[in-house]
Order: sequence, then structure tokens, then C-alpha cells
Amino acid sequence: DIQMTQSPSSLSAFVGDRVTITCRASQGISNYLAWFQQKPGKAPKSLIYAASSLQSGVPSKFSGSGSGTDFTLTISSLQPEDFATYYCQQYNSYPWTFGQGTKVEIK
Amino acid sequence: EVQLVESGGGLVQPGRSLRLSCIASGFTFGDYGMSWFRQAPGKGLEWVGFIRSKAYGGTTEYAASVKGRFTISRDDSKSIAYLQMNSLKTEDTAVYYCTRVGWGGVGWFTDCWGQGTLVTVSS
Repeated sequence: DIQMTQSPSSLSAFVGDRVTITCRASQGISNYLAWFQQKPGKAPKSLIYAASSLQSGVPSKFSGSGSGTDFTLTISSLQPEDFATYYCQQYNSYPWTFGQGTKVEIK
Repeated sequence: EVQLVESGGGLVQPGRSLRLSCIASGFTFGDYGMSWFRQAPGKGLEWVGFIRSKAYGGTTEYAASVKGRFTISRDDSKSIAYLQMNSLKTEDTAVYYCTRVGWGGVGWFTDCWGQGTLVTVSS
């Protein structure tokens, strides 16, 4: 199975900060990577697929990059509604696997 | 508007069975794959399984933890995906989410989630 490792596991940031979350795959996955946002008690929301393509309706403050084994999710200017847990997921091969999540909290 | 609504969750004893349903609306159901994910209380997300669209054979894939016990199926005429869960274990306790899975030449990727349904396996 492909292991996905996110860092950091949690971070504290101010409104307006630029935030970057990294995700590393244990082997190359080309660009078969998605990012999801989950708020407490809610279903996840799809943000990005194919490492850098924004899902429909997702604001452009979210961006993704990377290929192979190293990926990043960047939020250009953190807003109150962005405080949540973020997950990366590879879909290069079965079983599809997730990172452990990164909790973004208010500083 | 794309909507996925899960139902069928509840409390069930270990060893028993349960079937979850996911009713889809707002898109051409048959054009998409469907997947099930789960999230145990206080834990991260886990993929359960996936069914391709009929155009891609309608075949299925499963996580090792559920293979042989869980079965995903679909009824394109009713726009419903199912998750049949047999021989349930306490570790299957989780919120179960169905998702729409698209093929864009960049692999099968999830783009829409249901609200989830809670399955509790306990005696």
C-alpha cells in the first residue's frame, strides 16, 4: 500500500496568513492526488484533484502543486471559514489511501 | 445541484448485516463511478471501496479490511449505490460516506460527498 504522510499534523495561523501543507507519498503517484477539507461534524469537501486542478466552485485562494512523491496545498490568505482539517489522498493505485490530516487552527 | 443522500445506518450487533443506500440526484448517475469511505469516531478518513461506471465494466475494488465482507453495487435505473455489509465487526463502527467519482483522463477522482450515515456495531 502507498503511505501518505502529511506535515504538519496541526498548525496555528492568523487570518490573512499564507498557509502551506505538504503531503508525501511513499512511492511515486504521478499527479493522482486529491485534497479535501473537513469541518467538525461535517462531511469532507473536495478541493483539488490531479494535484493542481480546482474542483468546481472552490475559490482560487486554494492551490495545489507537485508530482511524483511530493505535493503541497496552499491557502493564499487564510479566512475564518478555512479553519478545518485538510486531507490528501492518492488514487494512483488501490487501496486509495489518505494522509493523517492537518488541522488548521486560529492563532 | 448534485446531491448524494445516504441512508440505512444504525446500531447493529457484531456478526450481523446492514445495507446502506446512496440516492443520487442532479447528474447522470450512470456516467460516474461511486465510492464509499468511512471515518471512525475521532479518526481520519478511510477508503472502503469503489464501483466503476458501466462504461468501464461496472467492476469493483475494495480495501483489504472489508474485502469478502462488503459488497458495492449500483442500480443505474434508480440512481442508487449500495453498500452491503456482512459479518460486521466492532471496528466497522464509523460514519459512512458515499461519493461521486469522475474519470477525467486523470484517474478516478472523488468530487462530491454525501452527508454520511453512522453505523455503530455493538452488542
